Amino acid sequence: AQTVTQSQPEMSVQEAETVTLSCTYDTSESDYYLFWYKQPPSRQMILVIRQEAYKQQNATENRFSVNFQKAAKSFSLKISDSQLGDAAMYFCAYRSLGNDMRFGAGTRLTVKP
Amino acid sequence: EPEVTQTPSHQVTQMGQEVILRCVPISNHLYFYWYRQILGQKVEFLVSFYNNEISEKSEIFDDQFSVERPDGSNFTLKIRSTKLEDSAMYFCASSETGTAFIYGYTFGSGTRLTVV
Repeated sequence: AQTVTQSQPEMSVQEAETVTLSCTYDTSESDYYLFWYKQPPSRQMILVIRQEAYKQQNATENRFSVNFQKAAKSFSLKISDSQLGDAAMYFCAYRSLGNDMRFGAGTRLTVKP
Repeated sequence: EPEVTQTPSHQVTQMGQEVILRCVPISNHLYFYWYRQILGQKVEFLVSFYNNEISEKSEIFDDQFSVERPDGSNFTLKIRSTKLEDSAMYFCASSETGTAFIYGYTFGSGTRLTVV
């Protein structure tokens, strides 16, 4: 079974600084996709960024980027120039072909003004 | 931008009662999902649904749960006899067919179910 581990229950960052959220996963599949979802206080799940496992290039989406290390099964999220609106729970998720999405336990990010 | 709509946003029910949580997925999506999140815990997969049948379900999705697509737009989750431990946020999600699964799911804003 695929598992997703987020080892940081809570993180904090100063506004305008950079923070990295960690995620590791366990799988025997070679073709899969990884996602980071943001869950603000409104509770909605919002897709932040995704990465195809077959791509070596790390995905970027404005201030959000990932460090994807396939051999290490690591998929960290870097948030640059942190803003107050980035404060939320962040969930790492994994999905392989024919299977449904599985989430990590989440990391609560606090942004300090 | 298309949205997944869930109603109600909050439902309170007495233990043992039946509840139906409703979802309207994005109109051209064919895959539907229910997830739940117990307060402060991880998001857990419940069930996926495609072509009018369950394609996968988790161990959480036992006989007290059922899903239905009663018409062309709604996707419902029924809990037959609610228990206190069913109190959670329930998220509906949908996705497109085929290779578009790589784009992840679109989630609704959730229904908070409180069982008293």
